[in-house]
Amino acid sequence: GAGVSQSPSNKVTEKGKDVELRCDPISGHTALYWYRQSLGQGLEFLIYFQGNSAPDKSGLPSDRFSAERTGGSVSTLTIQRTQQEDSAVYLCASSASGTGRTEAFFGQGTRLTVV
Amino acid sequence: GENVEQHPSTLSVQEGDSAVIKCTYSDSASNYFPWYKQELGKRPQLIIDIRSNVGEKKDQRIAVTLNKTAKHFSLHITETQPEDSAVYFCAVSSLSLNAGKSTFGDGTTLTVKP
Repeated sequence: GAGVSQSPSNKVTEKGKDVELRCDPISGHTALYWYRQSLGQGLEFLIYFQGNSAPDKSGLPSDRFSAERTGGSVSTLTIQRTQQEDSAVYLCASSASGTGRTEAFFGQGTRLTVV
Repeated sequence: GENVEQHPSTLSVQEGDSAVIKCTYSDSASNYFPWYKQELGKRPQLIIDIRSNVGEKKDQRIAVTLNKTAKHFSLHITETQPEDSAVYFCAVSSLSLNAGKSTFGDGTTLTVKP
């Protein structure tokens, strides 16, 4: 597809379980972001990948959160031992690098509910 | 790192009035300033952007102005319509070959009353 794709669209999990969220960025985009958005709130930055550079993990709220980006393309956000406060929409975005337009293209998000 | 502040957090206007949202940033090296609109239940999407070599850009009813010296930029929506109701995010980044991390503002919830 032409856009950023995230899966699953919705995920309900029991407290204490681990979850994996997947993001397929636009082909050729070197930058990839993960954000968390609670209902009615802004975009909480989690992690940023840029090419082969070390990721910027400064937004990860705890060591239960981790993310990988395989081969500079697909990314997986893993939340271990989920808590109810992890419930939110997790948005992935990708953008091109360079001196041209670097707008961020967002996926449709994964709505995570921890029960 | 970059620090972006967005004001106001909520804005309510009457249909037909203008709306202005302002963002300030801290890094003078930043040179790309997009605005995103997020309608209820949907993903954020770019509506307009400006680079630091331009002071103003307009696209129909929306415009963005940039003051590099003061490090702030604003979104202007004229003749507002109910469909303009959404959350608006500003963002700041540096256009370069190896950088370009975007930092987002906290968002402004705009309500246009018919």
